[in-house]
Amino acid sequence: AQSVTQLDSQVPVFEEAPVELRCNYSSSVSVYLFWYVQYPNQGLQLLLKYLSGSTLVKGINGFEAEFNKSQTSFHLRKPSVHISDTAEYFCAVSRAGASKIIFGSGTRLSIRP
Amino acid sequence: KAGVTQTPRYLIKTRGQQVTLSCSPISGHRSVSWYQQTPGQGLQFLFEYFSETQRNKGNFPGRFSGRQFSNSRSEMNVSTLELGDSALYLCASSFEGQGQETQYFGPGTRLLVL
Repeated sequence: AQSVTQLDSQVPVFEEAPVELRCNYSSSVSVYLFWYVQYPNQGLQLLLKYLSGSTLVKGINGFEAEFNKSQTSFHLRKPSVHISDTAEYFCAVSRAGASKIIFGSGTRLSIRP
Repeated sequence: KAGVTQTPRYLIKTRGQQVTLSCSPISGHRSVSWYQQTPGQGLQFLFEYFSETQRNKGNFPGRFSGRQFSNSRSEMNVSTLELGDSALYLCASSFEGQGQETQYFGPGTRLLVL
C-alpha cells in the first residue's frame, strides 16, 4: 500500500521569499508522484508530476519538485512566491495501471505582503 | 476543450435523504473517478468508472454508489444521508485512468447534510 505524508499543515511566507513544501511517501512498488494545488472554492489543478527520468521536475507557475528515492521525498519548491500562490497544496501518489490517487493531508500556503 | 463539469455545485439535504451528483468528463475521456474531501479525513478515493464499469473502489459503505453512462458521464448516489457525509465531492477524468495520466478535476459539488 502507498501513503503520503505532508509534514507541514501550514506554511506562512513573505511575498517574494522562497518556499519549500515537504512531502514524503512510502510504497513497496514504484509510484508516480504528483503535486496538486487547490485554490479557494475550486477543484484541484495539477502543478507537476514525476513519472521517471530526471529527478528534477518543473511545473506550472514557476514551481519545481525533486524526487529523492533514497529519502522517499518529493518536496515542492518555488524561488519567489506571489500573493496569487495562496492556496492549499497536495502531494499525491499513484501506481502504474491504477487511477486511484492517494493524497497527503495538504499544506496551506499563506503569503504575507 | 471544455473542462470537467459537475452539477449541482451546491446542495443542502437532510439526514435520511438521498442525493445524486453528476459529473461530465472532458470529451474523449473514458475514466471518471470520484473523491470525497472533508476537513477531518482529507481527500479520499470513492470509486472509478471506466467504460461503464466500476473498476476500482475505495473504502466507503455501500450507501455510496455510482454509475457511468455510454457517453462517459457519471453519477454518484448517496443514500440514507448522514451528517458526516457533508463534504466536497470531486470528480476527475482521464483518458484511460492509467496511473501516469494527468487527472483533471472538476470544481466539485459541496454537499451539506442537516
